[in-house]
Order: sequence, then C-alpha cells, then structure tokens
Amino acid sequence: DSGVTQTPKHLITATGQRVTLRCSPRSGDLSVYWYQQSLDQGLQFLIQYYNGEERAKGNILERFSAQQFPDLHSELNLSSLELGDSALYFCASSVGERSDQPQHFGDGTRLSIL
Amino acid sequence: QKEVEQDPGPLSVPEGAIVSLNCTYSNSAFQYFMWYRQYSRKGPELLMYTYSSGNKEDGRFTAQVDKSSKYISLFIRDSQPSDSATYLCAMRMGYQKVTFGIGTKLQVIP
Repeated sequence: DSGVTQTPKHLITATGQRVTLRCSPRSGDLSVYWYQQSLDQGLQFLIQYYNGEERAKGNILERFSAQQFPDLHSELNLSSLELGDSALYFCASSVGERSDQPQHFGDGTRLSIL
Repeated sequence: QKEVEQDPGPLSVPEGAIVSLNCTYSNSAFQYFMWYRQYSRKGPELLMYTYSSGNKEDGRFTAQVDKSSKYISLFIRDSQPSDSATYLCAMRMGYQKVTFGIGTKLQVIP
C-alpha cells in the first residue's frame, strides 16, 4: 500500500461531460503529480502541485485543470470529454518539490468515455 | 521518434530464467534512470534508481546503464511468477519531469 488514495476507482461517462478525480497524498507529502496512462502513449506527466501551488506542467490539455487544497488533497478536473480521454489517471505524491525525490503512486482511476 | 523507446512485449519466460528488460533513449541530457514495476490494476512502484553508468544490484534485480549507447537494462535473476508485471523504465534530466517508457509486460510461467 503506497498510502496514496485515489477516488473513484472507475468512472464511466459520456462525451461532452465533465468529471472530477480526487487524490489524497501520503501523510507528510507536499507534492502531488497527475499522470495519464494509455496503451499507446504510456505514462504521461500532466501537472505537479506543491503545497497548493502549481510547480510544473506537462502534456495537459486546456480542457483539463487541477488544484491542490489546503489539506493537500488534489483534484483533477476533465471537461468536454472526448473518446480519446479514456485512460487510467494516476496520482503520485512525494515529500518535497523536486522531481528527484521518490514518487509514490496511487492505484489510479480508470476513466471510460462512451 | 519518442524520447524513450521500450518494447511493450509481452515477454514470457519460464520460472527461474534470467529476464532482460531494455530501453533506449535519444536525449543525451538524461542523467537519472529508474525502473518501475506495475502490477495489474495497481500504480507503478519504484524498483531501482541509478545515476551513473554501470551496474547497481538489489537482491535479484540489477540495473545497468550505458550512457554512451543511450541504453538501460534491468535484469531479474531466478525469476518468479510473482515477478509477472509490467516494467516501466523512466528517466529525467536535472529536476525536470520524469519521462517514462511505454512498459514491457512480463509473464513468468511456473
């Protein structure tokens, strides 16, 4: 058990809809990372937050947004969903801000767009 | 061309075999190299972390980095059915984001 909790585990919705994925980091971790994993693209970094502030951005679409709250949990919002957004979405957390520190992954949210 | 290339497999081996998993990369600025293991329906977990060229051993696992060839390997000795998982290589330069390979699916057959 990594200590990172993601909810929900599965989400099925339709094109054009909006969903929110939630992540609770390990106790004591201040950084949260979001990743998207698909069969053809592998694990792609989306965005990092550290102690409530955005720290790094990867291949995140404008339709996607994230935030980290004062209690350090984070939410990833996906809007105007398209079929291609179907994927596994992982959250990871680490103690500090720098990417050289080990990241601990949750078990992901499987998003299916019908 | 992707920055990190990894054969997705699947790779099937008999129990007890030595497994060799590999990645190549194109960006010579990558300095730090990692291997993650991902079981089905689980998130990736860090297995090995190396910085320099050469070998690093941890139990049955050995990570090898050849920066001159831009090639990294993970060897698993005495493979067990419990090693069946997807193995992702990952690398980064400085404190930049981590770039992952697509993962190789390994099945160890009893």
